[in-house]
Amino acid sequence: NAGVTQTPKFQVLKTGQSMTLQCAQDMNHEYMSWYRQDPGMGLRLIHYSVGAGITDQGEVPNGYNVSRSTTEDFPLRLLSAAPSQTSVYFCASSYGPVRSYEQYFGPGTRLTVT
Amino acid sequence: DQQVKQNSPSLSVQEGRISILNCDYTNSMFDYFLWYKKYPAEGPTFLISISSIKDKNEDGRFTVFLNKSAKHLSLHIVPSQPGDSAVYFCAASHSGAGSYQLTFGKGTKLSVIP
Repeated sequence: NAGVTQTPKFQVLKTGQSMTLQCAQDMNHEYMSWYRQDPGMGLRLIHYSVGAGITDQGEVPNGYNVSRSTTEDFPLRLLSAAPSQTSVYFCASSYGPVRSYEQYFGPGTRLTVT
Repeated sequence: DQQVKQNSPSLSVQEGRISILNCDYTNSMFDYFLWYKKYPAEGPTFLISISSIKDKNEDGRFTVFLNKSAKHLSLHIVPSQPGDSAVYFCAASHSGAGSYQLTFGKGTKLSVIP
């Protein structure tokens, strides 16, 4: 089991560029989430999915899109990158609601927007 | 408004002694609490959790205590080991519509000195 994998590990974008952060899990988890962590801050939820074809917004969804066409993959799209999106992004998955099941996190993608 | 607060950014403890990490919350709807541990350049890993129907949960060297009236929880690590040096995040959720959403504190960096 590879667990939760994220690519790329590092990325530098110019303002206005778009890109997709990839996330995949091989544990057959229904629930997947994207978080961002800014310096001195806790993790904040961007978007989440409770199953293939179902997504919803978290605390800080603006500027990001997600889709869930398969159980395994949950990509995060930055539509038009802004310096405020400089952050470390973590993808996570779990069997069910996070209040009942352990969440497994990927290693993160460090994104810098100049 | 920060709903989950970890007021100590850092803590240093001698190896073999007890580490106590504290967390306060303001949202009385929270009824499930978790602790995550994070090493540099890695994603967070689940450590231990507690439901609001309990006031204590123990797992090996790790014990979480919950004081609902004070809206306070703490993580005790006994005995502390150098490998415990990491950032510890407190997180909370509630059983309403947000049962798949976690609210994180800013984290406490624990250093265990050999």
